[in-house]
Amino acid sequence: AQTVTQSQPEMSVQEAETVTLSCTYDTSESDYYLFWYKQPPSRQMILVIRQEAYKQQNATENRFSVNFQKAAKSFSLKISDSQLGDAAMYFCAYSGGSNYKLTFGKGTLLTVNP
Amino acid sequence: EAQVTQNPRYLITVTGKKLTVTCSQNMNHEYMSWYRQDPGLGLRQIYYSMNVEVTDKGDVPEGYKVSRKEKRNFPLILESPSPNQTSLYFCASRNWYEQYFGPGTRLTVT
Repeated sequence: AQTVTQSQPEMSVQEAETVTLSCTYDTSESDYYLFWYKQPPSRQMILVIRQEAYKQQNATENRFSVNFQKAAKSFSLKISDSQLGDAAMYFCAYSGGSNYKLTFGKGTLLTVNP
Repeated sequence: EAQVTQNPRYLITVTGKKLTVTCSQNMNHEYMSWYRQDPGLGLRQIYYSMNVEVTDKGDVPEGYKVSRKEKRNFPLILESPSPNQTSLYFCASRNWYEQYFGPGTRLTVT
């Protein structure tokens, strides 16, 4: 069974600094997707970034980028120029196989200090 | 606007009183699912549906039922809720590329 591990229950960063959130996963699939979701206090699940496993290039969305290491099964999220609005719970998620299921990590709570 | 709606958003109920949480999507997606979110556990899949009349268990199906009579609707049914089902529930639908989440339903069972 696929598993997703986020080893950092909590992280903090100073405003305008850079922070990296870690995620590792386990799978026997060769074709899959990886996601980072943001959950602010409103509880809405917001897609931050997506990576297709067959793409070697790391995905980037404005201040958010990933470091995808397929052989190491690692998928970290880097947030540059952190803003107060980035404070949230962040979930790493995996999707592969035929049933479209998302498997989530337990989350990392990010605090941004002014 | 593409969206997934859930109702109610908040619900407080008592043990054993049957309840239904509705979910509807307007994107014509075949795949829909339900998740529950608990502190320290992330989101876990309860049930999913690949199409109308096709449903299957996820990781934590005990105590829940679902039905998929129409493509757009996927209600979650708790026949006899218990306090351990107090949680935040998300409905979701997806195509091959992206998953869309509803706003969540905060359920408290006393």
